[in-house]
Amino acid sequence: AQTVTQSQPEMSVQEAETVTLSCTYDTSESDYYLFWYKQPPSRQMILVIRQEAYKQQNATENRFSVNFQKAAKSFSLKISDSQLGDAAMYFCAYRSETSYDKVIFGPGTSLSVIP
Amino acid sequence: NAGVTQTPKFQVLKTGQSMTLQCAQDMNHNSMYWYRQDPGMGLRLIYYSASEGTTDKGEVPNGYNVSRLNKREFSLRLESAAPSQTSVYFCASTRGISYNEQFFGPGTRLTVL
Repeated sequence: AQTVTQSQPEMSVQEAETVTLSCTYDTSESDYYLFWYKQPPSRQMILVIRQEAYKQQNATENRFSVNFQKAAKSFSLKISDSQLGDAAMYFCAYRSETSYDKVIFGPGTSLSVIP
Repeated sequence: NAGVTQTPKFQVLKTGQSMTLQCAQDMNHNSMYWYRQDPGMGLRLIYYSASEGTTDKGEVPNGYNVSRLNKREFSLRLESAAPSQTSVYFCASTRGISYNEQFFGPGTRLTVL
């Protein structure tokens, strides 16, 4: 069975600085999708960025980028120029190509942004 | 376009009571999901419906039942609530097989006393 691990329960970053959140996963599959979701205090889950495993190029969305290391099964999220609105829980998630109906979430990392 | 809506937003139950959580989406999505979120455990899948007329168990289905009423609506029922079911419940939907993201509702905070 697939598992997703986020080893940092809490992180903090100074406003305007850069922070990297870690995620590792375990799978025997070769084709899959990876996601980072943001959950602010409002509880709404918001997709931040996605990565298809077959793509070698790392995904980027404005200030958010990932470092996808397929062999190491690592999928870290980098937030550049951190803003107060980035403070939230961040969840890493895995979805296999075959079990399209199921998504496995990590336990989350709580990110604080210090003014 | 409201996306995914859930009712109620908050609910307090006594042990043994029953209730139904409602979920609806207006995006014409085929697949719908129910998750529970507990501290330190991320989201865990309770049930899902790949398409109208089908439902399947997820990781933690015990104590729950679901109904895919139509393409828009997917309800979650607790027949006899237990304190272990105190959690935040999220409904989500996706277009179907080849999708890129799940769209989530705002969640329901349920407390069972």
